[in-house]
Amino acid sequence: QVQLQESGPGLMKPSETLALTCAVSGYSIRSGYYWGWIRQPPGKGLEWIGSIHHRGNTYYNPSLESRVIVSVDTSKNQFSLNLRSVTAADTAVYYCARRQYYYDRNGASDVFDIWGQGTMVTVSS
Amino acid sequence: QSVLTQPPSVSAAPGQKVTISCSGSSSNIENNYVSWYQQLPGTAPKLLIYDNNKRPSVIPDRFSGSKSGTSATLGISGLQTGDDADYYCGTWDSSLSAVVFGGGTKLTVL
Repeated sequence: QVQLQESGPGLMKPSETLALTCAVSGYSIRSGYYWGWIRQPPGKGLEWIGSIHHRGNTYYNPSLESRVIVSVDTSKNQFSLNLRSVTAADTAVYYCARRQYYYDRNGASDVFDIWGQGTMVTVSS
Repeated sequence: QSVLTQPPSVSAAPGQKVTISCSGSSSNIENNYVSWYQQLPGTAPKLLIYDNNKRPSVIPDRFSGSKSGTSATLGISGLQTGDDADYYCGTWDSSLSAVVFGGGTKLTVL
């Protein structure tokens, strides 16, 4: 059974760099799949942050791309999110998830099929 | 302002059927597959429907999905109080080169 678990700082100050890690159990990241980060501000909807292939190819939300780096560490079976220069607008629950993606004549299928429980990150001075 | 438009809320009685709409455009829903997620209070989203109308094996057939043109619909029949949750549609947007989600619909089972 594949499980994902986020870990991170909880509370941060504006202008700092957010660093989150997602530990994967029950599956070896190097075996395949994409992995991704999604966030949800309090009382609001979901926002995709970025995704990474197990070989390291990355895809980012254009609205966050200038501040985001997603990386993978297959030796530790985990992947990470770095978001620099955070502000109060980055306050959210951050989820990691496994991404299933393919493309055929009907278009792209981009699905997050397994999610971590989420970790709350608050940015406040 | 979400790229995909969902009604903020819907409600129905136990045992009834409800539908939740998701409206987009040619750059997202019309030319890509749609997925739906259920988020129970205080928990992470869970995949309900993928590729417009397919269900993961653990999802009961009370949940269904469909797509027509630039809109998609989630249907839930035989409503139960445990279906009280927020529901999100999602898809790939070819113009934005991004995964996009609807703003979410809160389902209340009266």
